[in-house]
Amino acid sequence: EAQVTQNPRYLITVTGKKLTVTCSQNMNHEYMSWYRQDPGLGLRQIYYSMNVEVTDKGDVPEGYKVSRKEKRNFPLILESPSPNQTSLYFCASSLQGGRGKNIQYFGAGTRLSVL
Amino acid sequence: DQQVKQNSPSLSVQEGRISILNCDYTNSMFDYFLWYKKYPAEGPTFLISISSIKDKNEDGRFTVFLNKSAKHLSLHIVPSQPGDSAVYFCASQGDSNYQLIWGAGTKLIIKP
Repeated sequence: EAQVTQNPRYLITVTGKKLTVTCSQNMNHEYMSWYRQDPGLGLRQIYYSMNVEVTDKGDVPEGYKVSRKEKRNFPLILESPSPNQTSLYFCASSLQGGRGKNIQYFGAGTRLSVL
Repeated sequence: DQQVKQNSPSLSVQEGRISILNCDYTNSMFDYFLWYKKYPAEGPTFLISISSIKDKNEDGRFTVFLNKSAKHLSLHIVPSQPGDSAVYFCASQGDSNYQLIWGAGTKLIIKP
């Protein structure tokens, strides 16, 4: 089954404790992206990756890191989480990141609370 | 400033009737638009899209209309069914690259 898998689904942590949210896709997609969803703001892009070893900032990259060492995996790293990073996070992938039809497939989400 | 706006946070419609969800955008360079549907505890899933060279695209019960002069698009669901109850997001392709710009979403509730 084609899917994007995020782990964990739920996470409660404390300020400053480094964490990683994993994302894996089995569709051989080149393009992967991380979003955060906050009430009234829709989805905002954090980072994206066009291919292995190619990553770039989205609209809200501060406080986050990513890496793309393998095509299928795109982990999101919070080196020193803060309460304003409490949010619902989604990983997405698509066949390519070019203009035109850019249908992205999403993971089920990770709800993060930073105390 | 949000470039894609969905001004109705929620909408309640009787089963069997038409649901109309609206979306406005500000950037005239946007040329591709998508609607996604999201159920609780799941990620968004693609529903339907439209290119700026068209003014209408239909897929079964779902039709998207694009009015470029008004920078407005709408999603029509006819007839509405209980399984359509979800949050609907409108997204536009950015003018500079492949980035999607998202609206805040509209929660659709279909009443039996």
